Amino acid sequence: AQSVSQHNHHVILSEAASLELGCNYSYGGTVNLFWYVQYPGQHLQLLLKYFSGDPLVKGIKGFEAEFIKSKFSFNLRKPSVQWSDTAEYFCAVSTYSSASKIIFGSGTRLSIRP
Amino acid sequence: DAGITQSPRHKVTETGTPVTLRCHQTENHRYMYWYRQDPGHGLRLIHYSYGVKDTDKGEVSDGYSVSRSKTEDFLLTLESATSSQTSVYFCAISTSSGPDYEQYFGPGTRLTVT
Repeated sequence: AQSVSQHNHHVILSEAASLELGCNYSYGGTVNLFWYVQYPGQHLQLLLKYFSGDPLVKGIKGFEAEFIKSKFSFNLRKPSVQWSDTAEYFCAVSTYSSASKIIFGSGTRLSIRP
Repeated sequence: DAGITQSPRHKVTETGTPVTLRCHQTENHRYMYWYRQDPGHGLRLIHYSYGVKDTDKGEVSDGYSVSRSKTEDFLLTLESATSSQTSVYFCAISTSSGPDYEQYFGPGTRLTVT
């Protein structure tokens, strides 16, 4: 069964710092990859997704992620964070053979100091 | 928000009582899901449905049952609530059963079992 690991549980940055959140998955076949964000008190929203093609995926709010198949990774990046990026971020994976089920990582809480 | 509502939004119940949570969608999507969110665990899939009367188990289905008698409604039932089922429950829909799809989440139900 596939699984997702997010090794950073809590990241604290100052405004304008660069961000990289790690995500590794375990599955040997074709995967679909997602990053979701959950702002305080709100439900999950899709930031970006990868299904095929260009491994560098651009999402909303200036976020991007790079799929590195050899490393089973899909790290999220943003060159300059803002206080409004304070939220919890979830990486998720589904396999093409089981596209109806998405498995989530445990999440990374991002705190931005103004 | 893909027209997803959940009811109730908050509930406090006693151990041993039955509880039913309702998810309602307005856009006729085939796939619907129930997740629970707990600190340190991210979102975990409880059950999902791929059509009327068609359901399957997720990662943490013990103690939960589901029903889908209409396309628009997906019910989650805790037959005899336990304190370990205190959590935030999210319903989700998938926009497609094909390879390119997105999941949209409802606003969540906060359940406390005392």
